[in-house]
Amino acid sequence: DIQMTQSPSSLSASVGDRVTITCRASQSISSYLNWYQQKPGKAPKLLIYAASSLQSGVPSRFSGSGSGTDFTLTISSLQPEDFATYYCQQSYSARAAFGQGTKLEIK
Amino acid sequence: DVQLVESGGRLVQPGGSLRLSCAASGFTFSSFEMNWVRQAPGRGLEWVSYISTTGGTIYYADSVKGRFTISRDNAKNSLYLQMNSLRAEDTAIYYCAILGREPRPNFDYWGQGTLVTVSS
Repeated sequence: DIQMTQSPSSLSASVGDRVTITCRASQSISSYLNWYQQKPGKAPKLLIYAASSLQSGVPSRFSGSGSGTDFTLTISSLQPEDFATYYCQQSYSARAAFGQGTKLEIK
Repeated sequence: DVQLVESGGRLVQPGGSLRLSCAASGFTFSSFEMNWVRQAPGRGLEWVSYISTTGGTIYYADSVKGRFTISRDNAKNSLYLQMNSLRAEDTAIYYCAILGREPRPNFDYWGQGTLVTVSS
């Protein structure tokens, strides 16, 4: 099975900062990579699909890149509503796998 | 609007059984692969099980294989998860989800979740 590894597991940043989260797959998954945002008590929300495509309604400060085994999620200028936990997930296989999550906290 | 509504979660003793249901509406249920994803308290997301559109292909996470059974009834627009031999580590919020995947990678929806607590 494909394993997904995210880093860092937590991150402290300030409003206006640029932040990057990385995700590595245990084997090549081409561009079959989703990024989710989850806030406390809520279901996850899809931000980015196919590694770099922005889901409808998601602000353009979110962007994704990468292919093969290495991927990144970048938030260009953090806003207060962006403090949440972020997960990558491979959609290459029907046996879906999530990264362990990155908790983004206010510095 | 797409809606996925889970039900069936409750407190159950270790070794017990539970059946979760997910009622789907607002889309052609029979055309979409479905999943169960869980989240233990304070922990990350864990994929649990997948079922194809017809039910002909099914996958499970190793942690639940042999104990959980996924099924669907396309006539009733419903997804199910039969959970047997429950353990404390199965305590989690269980989400019914369409995970974005080809050929519709941006068609991604989750229910609100149902809480399963396994404790004596």
